[in-house]
Amino acid sequence: KNQVEQSPQSLIILEGKNCTLQCNYTVSPFSNLRWYKQDTGRGPVSLTIMTFSENTKSNGRYTATLDADTKQSSLHITASQLSDSASYICVVTGLSNFGNEKLTFGTGTRLTIIP
Amino acid sequence: DAGVIQSPRHEVTEMGQEVTLRCKPISGHDYLFWYRQTMMRGLELLIYFNNNVPIDDSGMPEDRFSAKMPNASFSTLKIQPSEPRDSAVYFCASRGYEQYFGPGTRLTVT
Repeated sequence: KNQVEQSPQSLIILEGKNCTLQCNYTVSPFSNLRWYKQDTGRGPVSLTIMTFSENTKSNGRYTATLDADTKQSSLHITASQLSDSASYICVVTGLSNFGNEKLTFGTGTRLTIIP
Repeated sequence: DAGVIQSPRHEVTEMGQEVTLRCKPISGHDYLFWYRQTMMRGLELLIYFNNNVPIDDSGMPEDRFSAKMPNASFSTLKIQPSEPRDSAVYFCASRGYEQYFGPGTRLTVT
């Protein structure tokens, strides 16, 4: 069964500190992995898209890594800011037997940055 | 571009009533997705379209839910009859290379 597990469920850190969020998946066959940031009351916003051949991708202070062998991804946030407070959702796209995309969602990590 | 547009932003209705949610995707995007989000279940994909054709509706919870995309610039998600357990935030998203979500419709069924 395709699954995406994120850890931790919630995290509180001081402003300016770094943090790393984890995403482990069992989706197969794998197509891509996306990290989203969702502010309270808003729709998710894409941070990164990673395909099988990509190990690392950065978007400003956000750096995502992917290990396709161990089926693990991480999202590292550097020098956190209050505006980083949000939920971070990992979404893995696989392929069905018919070649259609099958999306499997993690339950998210709730990150709170405190001053 | 105004991004993905959803209407209404909030909807409160009584159990048994029909609810229609609307979405205008970003021009040029060939994929459109409908999602539902609740505290208990998180984000769930309901259905997605490619070039206006429904590709995968396996996430649609039951026959009370239906979705249409009559053209490239408009889609609807209909719930008939609505039930309290349908209360959630419903997101529409469109995708070219990147996927962009709309602001969502918060549905409350009493």
